[in-house]
Amino acid sequence: GENVEQHPSTLSVQEGDSAVIKCTYSDSASNYFPWYKQELGKRPQLIIDIRSNVGEKKDQRIAVTLNKTAKHFSLHITETQPEDSAVYFCAASIIQGAQKLVFGQGTRLTINP
Amino acid sequence: NAGVMQNPRHLVRRRGQEARLRCSPMKGHSHVYWYRQLPEEGLKFMVYLQKENIIDESGMPKERFSAEFPKEGPSILRIQQVVRGDSAAYFCASSPLAGGPRNEQFFGPGTRLTVL
Repeated sequence: GENVEQHPSTLSVQEGDSAVIKCTYSDSASNYFPWYKQELGKRPQLIIDIRSNVGEKKDQRIAVTLNKTAKHFSLHITETQPEDSAVYFCAASIIQGAQKLVFGQGTRLTINP
Repeated sequence: NAGVMQNPRHLVRRRGQEARLRCSPMKGHSHVYWYRQLPEEGLKFMVYLQKENIIDESGMPKERFSAEFPKEGPSILRIQQVVRGDSAAYFCASSPLAGGPRNEQFFGPGTRLTVL
């Protein structure tokens, strides 16, 4: 089955700098890759997602890149702000049949003022 | 359009008791997923259901755990004879009909189960 590895487990950056979180997946059949943000004690919230027919997607300060050949994808947050502090999870799934999400282990991002 | 609803938000049980967790998907969503999150860990898939059908239960322990999504009413995750290791946050997610361009899953607020 699918296995998703996420790095780093913790990341601390200065406010205004960029943050990058990387994930690799094992199942070449996976074709949908969402990123979730989870604040302490809250539900995971979808922040951006990408399908395998696209190499990059951007939404304001957030971007995701996908390398199908290498089976890895990354989350990029630019101009970080204190409210970006949270745990971020990547996930992989197969769209057909609305299948389960396989999550990475999470990255705790801290933005230092 | 109300989001995914879960209740109770917090549940305390003693070892050996039963826990029942409820999930109402978003309006128009017919797919329900249950995930478990242990403290300081990621989310692990447990079970995927459609109305009256279990589609994938590969992540659910074979014993003590069961799930259902009846024709009417919420989806229920049932844990019998709870043990301390069952203490976790249980999240439900829902998605719309299969075959769409995305598999976007919307999460509920979770039920935090504590087993004493």
